Amino acid sequence: LAKTTQPISMDSYEGQEVNITCSHNNIATNDYITWYQQFPSQGPRFIIQGYKTKVTNEVASLFIPADRKSSTLSLPRVSLSDTAVYYCLVGDEGTNAGKSTFGDGTTLTVKP
Amino acid sequence: DTAVSQTPKYLVTQMGNDKSIKCEQNLGHDTMYWYKQDSKKFLKIMFSYNNKELIINETVPNRFSPKSPDKAHLNLHINSLELGDSAVYFCASRQGETQYFGPGTRLLVL
Repeated sequence: LAKTTQPISMDSYEGQEVNITCSHNNIATNDYITWYQQFPSQGPRFIIQGYKTKVTNEVASLFIPADRKSSTLSLPRVSLSDTAVYYCLVGDEGTNAGKSTFGDGTTLTVKP
Repeated sequence: DTAVSQTPKYLVTQMGNDKSIKCEQNLGHDTMYWYKQDSKKFLKIMFSYNNKELIINETVPNRFSPKSPDKAHLNLHINSLELGDSAVYFCASRQGETQYFGPGTRLLVL
């Protein structure tokens, strides 16, 4: 199982770009990397997913180096409402259901 | 038209009781999950289930059991509740490699 490691917390200010890195040294060939956002008293919500290189959507970008042993979630110009816990998830649920591993989460605090 | 719903939202009970948490998804997904989130916000998978296979995390006590009356529902039964069972329990369903989570059930065992 791929073990994932994330920073416990990060602080930022409104308007800044925030990069959160997740380490997953023993990621398997078929594993995907998915990031989720969780606000207090809510369930995690999908942000972005990738397998390799770079993925961008309307919310974030995900950078994955060639060796895939880490991934970086990039949030452009954060606002106060981006304050949340961000989790990376590594796994291949389509083939190995129930074996994916969540990171311990990074608490992002955006200050005015 | 909530995609993944859970009931109850809050559950306060005494040690030793048996309780159930219900989960329903209207997304048509084949696979559903139960997760436990402790006070440190760590998310741990408990079960993965589709209409063919139940995958159990080996660390889950056998006091916990999932029951699926149909593809849209995966309920969680907990027997002989213990203080350490206090946590937030999330249900989720999956399409491809993306999971959709319910709002959570906050369980407090006294």
